Amino acid sequence: KAGVTQTPRYLIKTRGQQVTLSCSPISGHRSVSWYQQTPGQGLQFLFEYFSETQRNKGNFPGRFSGRQFSNSRSEMNVSTLELGDSALYLCASSLEDRSTDTQYFGPGTRLTVL
Amino acid sequence: SQQGEEDPQALSIQEGENATMNCSYKTSINNLQWYRQNSGRGLVHLILIRSNEREKHSGRLRVTLDTSKKSSSLLITASRAADTASYFCATGLYSGGGADGLTFGKGTHLIIQP
Repeated sequence: KAGVTQTPRYLIKTRGQQVTLSCSPISGHRSVSWYQQTPGQGLQFLFEYFSETQRNKGNFPGRFSGRQFSNSRSEMNVSTLELGDSALYLCASSLEDRSTDTQYFGPGTRLTVL
Repeated sequence: SQQGEEDPQALSIQEGENATMNCSYKTSINNLQWYRQNSGRGLVHLILIRSNEREKHSGRLRVTLDTSKKSSSLLITASRAADTASYFCATGLYSGGGADGLTFGKGTHLIIQP
């Protein structure tokens, strides 16, 4: 089975711009979660999608949003980028529920905001 | 809130030695998962141990879980240079556990000296 894929792998943007990141989960996985990883804050949960619905959301401002399509692929969007949004964004998929099932992570998208 | 907390924060050992990392947590859990991350890449799932299990093995990895002490340990035997990475524990709550359904610690950075 193909693993979780994320595109693009690297991205450089300037403050005020917006960005869209894409994630394709493992075939058959219905839960897709997004995380932000920074040296200072570590791994922080952004949101989880299941059956095209946002099931859980972490403590991030409304500039961070996402969606899931009928084929379970997911996108996340960050609007009005700030310098502090520079991070590694990780997508993970699991069969049904990130709390109880193994999560499989993609390689991440490295976002740099200048 | 970050429930899992790894100890030590960093560990440096000689190749061939055993490495032990610990994880402590605060509330009752459904499962505890260990992940490895090589520099700047996605996380790789190592082992998931459920709350009714006490010990699990996978190759050179041994994980123990003590729910009475709310702690877990990851043992890597006969370490190799390729084991150099950051290791994270993640505590999973009950199904549909909300935003805190799965929380990651800040990780232990393991360095294997040749």
